[in-house]
Amino acid sequence: EEQLVESGGDLVQPGGSLRLSCTASGFTFSSYGMNWVRQAPGKGLEWVSTVTGPGTSTYYADSVKGRFTASRDNSKNTLYLQMDSLRAEDTAVYYCAKHFYDSSVYRYAFDIWGQGTMVTVSS
Amino acid sequence: QSALTQPASVSGSPGQSITISCTGASSDVGNYNLVSWYQQHPGKAPKLMIYEGSKRPSGVSNRFSGSKSGNTASLTISGLQAEDEADYYCFSYARSRTSYVFGVGTKVTVL
Repeated sequence: EEQLVESGGDLVQPGGSLRLSCTASGFTFSSYGMNWVRQAPGKGLEWVSTVTGPGTSTYYADSVKGRFTASRDNSKNTLYLQMDSLRAEDTAVYYCAKHFYDSSVYRYAFDIWGQGTMVTVSS
Repeated sequence: QSALTQPASVSGSPGQSITISCTGASSDVGNYNLVSWYQQHPGKAPKLMIYEGSKRPSGVSNRFSGSKSGNTASLTISGLQAEDEADYYCFSYARSRTSYVFGVGTKVTVL
């Protein structure tokens, strides 16, 4: 069974840092692009970042660009999100999600999601 | 990247059909047939329901269907059931800066 498990969420002060992890199982992790998506309390989904399968390319939403860094360790089947200069508006549940492929072609959708990890930025 | 526009809420009675719209721009919804739809129940992770505008992943009920016209994509739920009560989000590839954008979300209520 394909599965993603996030960890690392915590309460952090504004301006602080935090690193989230997402551990994958049940599929060949290195073959798939991976993503971070967040959801502020009571709000909608927001795409945050994408990392390609080899980890050589990363993409970010404007709201986090320059503050967040996504990376992966394919030997550990783990995706990371390093979050620096955190702001109150970064408070959210952070999900990791896997690229969806059909007939070996990426379909610009995400099919497997973790359960999410909560990040709270507050003094 | 501005969020795609969806109605805040849509409701229907069991057995009825409802349609949720998702309006974007020529730089996202209008220029690509790459809209996907996600269902999210309270406290749960999103679930992929439709991809590439109208295709269903394995295991998704055929009561869910998608379409697109111009800059607007739509999700139709036929034979509405109590379990369909959830939030629904559209999602699209956006050409600018190689990114993605979600819709604001629509709450579906089964009366």
